[in-house]
Amino acid sequence: RKEVEQDPGPFNVPEGATVAFNCTYSNSASQSFFWYRQDCRKEPKLLMSVYSSGNEDGRFTAQLNRASQYISLLIRDSKLSDSATYLCVVNARNQFYFGTGTSLTVIP
Amino acid sequence: DGGITQSPKYLFRKEGQNVTLSCEQNLNHDAMYWYRQDPGQGLRLIYYSQIVNDFQKGDIAEGYSVSREKKESFPLTVTSAQKNPTAFYLCASSLGRDFEKLFFGSGTQLSVL
Repeated sequence: RKEVEQDPGPFNVPEGATVAFNCTYSNSASQSFFWYRQDCRKEPKLLMSVYSSGNEDGRFTAQLNRASQYISLLIRDSKLSDSATYLCVVNARNQFYFGTGTSLTVIP
Repeated sequence: DGGITQSPKYLFRKEGQNVTLSCEQNLNHDAMYWYRQDPGQGLRLIYYSQIVNDFQKGDIAEGYSVSREKKESFPLTVTSAQKNPTAFYLCASSLGRDFEKLFFGSGTQLSVL
């Protein structure tokens, strides 16, 4: 079983839509959780950390459910510039585990 | 500005040749990592180092070697034993403590001639 599993998509949504990505992790000792954004042939960049209480940054909301070992990312009012691959990343004892990424294309 | 610098951006390897990818960071991070990314796949860990003069194999270390003689530097050598080296290589670093996030270099695309 993979450490981190994501739906690879692709998700093709119109501008202004709300889209949600999900991620599950297998290691119950996981300590910290992140969403990264990766553009084609570029390095991943931190989008946001994910906290147990849930957190929001503008149009982006991240949720963590430790009991279900589940992480989510919600993007509201999608922009063309949101088109990218979104990586779910989990840190367990200073080892980072990556999902394969979810591809998002926002269509005009 | 602090950050991680990878070079070169593009690298070509001839058959039987060893090539070295450079990774330098000025973030004063203890931990450094090398990942390989193939098209449509997630990042796979090649090697990591939590402290100077120490490093451990990741999931796909065969055909690769590293050194960590300085805190700032973590070069990766792709040896001739790596039969399928074409990939996007990413170097990353973190403070090495719990809950710390990962910072990435801009990557090196390695191709075989």
